[in-house]
Amino acid sequence: QQQVKQSPQSLIVQKGGISIINCAYENTAFDYFPWYQQFPGKGPALLIAIRPDVSEKKEGRFTISFNKSAKQFSLHIMDSQPGDSATYFCAASPSRGGADGLTFGKGTHLIIQP
Amino acid sequence: NAGVTQTPKFQVLKTGQSMTLQCAQDMNHNSMYWYRQDPGMGLRLIYYSASEGTTDKGEVPNGYNVSRLNKREFSLRLESAAPSQTSVYFCASKLNRGGYTEAFFGQGTRLTVV
Repeated sequence: QQQVKQSPQSLIVQKGGISIINCAYENTAFDYFPWYQQFPGKGPALLIAIRPDVSEKKEGRFTISFNKSAKQFSLHIMDSQPGDSATYFCAASPSRGGADGLTFGKGTHLIIQP
Repeated sequence: NAGVTQTPKFQVLKTGQSMTLQCAQDMNHNSMYWYRQDPGMGLRLIYYSASEGTTDKGEVPNGYNVSRLNKREFSLRLESAAPSQTSVYFCASKLNRGGYTEAFFGQGTRLTVV
């Protein structure tokens, strides 16, 4: 049973456009939702994260939108740049105790065309 | 400040051989994790250790064993490697303080079992 569903699997966006990646979760115990960015040959790195007490979080060109009732969250990349080309993973975890590992979506391969 | 260091970076094994993947972190984190990454599958949790002296199974533990040697080091062992264990393995760590903390990943170990 896949607990975090991510779409699309791949995405091509023109430079300057908006990239949108969507995720949905099933486990109501999840209450921490980070997005990780991964470049080829590197480990994932935290990009931005949100808690369910807010509906939106923005950091620079990156915004997470969160809909608790629908159990969905999305990443928006504004003014997409070629340097944003990477694989993006949404993830989720419960915060109780803090030790539980992250449950990841399957990833979105994003290509920004110059 | 090295963060999370994994060794080796690449390894080729024959079916049935054993090996240990090493991971060390220098951030004084109490929780450590092993994930595997396969194309189209995202990252899946193999084992984790909430603190020194404890380990727990994740989503895909079969065929693996782990040892939390001390607070810094968390190793993953394949006793009898199988082609299905061909993957990229990532170690991660985080500081537990009630959840909502960033997990830091190593650079990965690319393992091929032939």
